[in-house]
Amino acid sequence: ETGVTQTPRHLVMGMTNKKSLKCEQHLGHNAMYWYKQSAKKPLELMFVYNFKEQTENNSVPSRFSPECPNSSHLFLHLHTLQPEDSALYLCASSQEGANYGYTFGSGTRLTVV
Amino acid sequence: GQNIGQPTEMTATEGAIVQINCTYQTSGFNGLFWYQQHAGEAPTFLSYNVLDGLEEKGRFSSFLSRSKGYSYLLLKELQMKDSASYLCAVRDQRGNAGKSTFGDGTTLTVKP
Repeated sequence: ETGVTQTPRHLVMGMTNKKSLKCEQHLGHNAMYWYKQSAKKPLELMFVYNFKEQTENNSVPSRFSPECPNSSHLFLHLHTLQPEDSALYLCASSQEGANYGYTFGSGTRLTVV
Repeated sequence: GQNIGQPTEMTATEGAIVQINCTYQTSGFNGLFWYQQHAGEAPTFLSYNVLDGLEEKGRFSSFLSRSKGYSYLLLKELQMKDSASYLCAVRDQRGNAGKSTFGDGTTLTVKP
């Protein structure tokens, strides 16, 4: 148990579908992040939330829509995705002043068909 | 922007010592992290350096030279379970919302 829980673990969706990824952290952290990990590429930052306010949108296409209702929960709403969006989507959290980096969730393996 | 360089692959023998290097050129710096990621799993935090020098934690040590934009992760007494990808990441601003930029990762294979 990492303290950051992501659901679902695996998701297959068509290009016309709408789905949501969920992330929940049980660590009392006040920042949460979405990262994308594709094969042969480094982890790419997508969104940053600090005290449930979005502080970073790393030029992510609008077909990805984040939502952070409180400091413990983070969603990524998906619609009209493309096959190249297939990747591992990782949620992470961190704490102000901490020197132990991110705590990652197990990720959602997304396949767009 | 951020530019982080790591070797793509390394191979070492069980019981040996291996050093994984990371170089960075960043617009801001507020700490360098090393993570371990086993295949099919999430990255897990290994070490953090914000000041120059060596940080030791059991079999793993991490070194930082801010003037040279250079870090390394040293793994001693290698075990088979150390076969994984090792990610170098640089945080670019103060505060917990300071985002981290990751290198491509170094895939380490430990052989018997």
